[in-house]
Amino acid sequence: EAGVAQSPRYKIIEKRQSVAFWCNPISGHATLYWYQQILGQGPKLLIQFQNNGVVDDSQLPKDRFSAERLKGVDSTLKIQPAKLEDSAVYLCASSSGWWAGRGNQPQHFGDGTRLSIL
Amino acid sequence: AQSVSQHNHHVILSEAASLELGCNYSYGGTVNLFWYVQYPGQHLQLLLKYFSGDPLVKGIKGFEAEFIKSKFSFNLRKPSVQWSDTAEYFCAVTGGGYGGSQGNLIFGKGTKLSVKP
Repeated sequence: EAGVAQSPRYKIIEKRQSVAFWCNPISGHATLYWYQQILGQGPKLLIQFQNNGVVDDSQLPKDRFSAERLKGVDSTLKIQPAKLEDSAVYLCASSSGWWAGRGNQPQHFGDGTRLSIL
Repeated sequence: AQSVSQHNHHVILSEAASLELGCNYSYGGTVNLFWYVQYPGQHLQLLLKYFSGDPLVKGIKGFEAEFIKSKFSFNLRKPSVQWSDTAEYFCAVTGGGYGGSQGNLIFGKGTKLSVKP
């Protein structure tokens, strides 16, 4: 099966500019996640979607970050305006959710977008 | 607060040495536990997962992990490492239940493993 697709792979912008990332999950996966991974740390969840609805965005800095999944498939994550501390790798993941008798299924990750803020 | 602690930041081993990477978690209720691996230049990949039942879980490439509920631990082991195991290893936990944010992964900071040929 095709994996999680993300673009672009790399992005360099200046602070206060805006940037957008795109993610296409594995076909049939209803649950989609965006994570931020700062150098030297593990990924941190930004937002979780179930189909086109937001399940958890408690850690999303909503004053500058926004995300959408309008048709329940592809998703975009936007930062506007970017700050220096937003330099990180942004990971998209998808899963088939929770199955009775099998629990929460593993998340499959894309290659990520490495964002550098100058 | 929910969290995952990985004890070692960087581990350096020679080929054929045995490996054990520590992982402790803090999470109320039932849990699902995961180890992910990230090889240089590649995306995060699942090594193994604990859902329920036998606390000794076997994964890909000869890795295994043991869930010790009383110690809130899920340590990763491999009896004999190879140069190709050089990578970063992440322990992660989700809730075991259905719905809401139960499926959200909480990651440790990762352990970088370097295997010398």
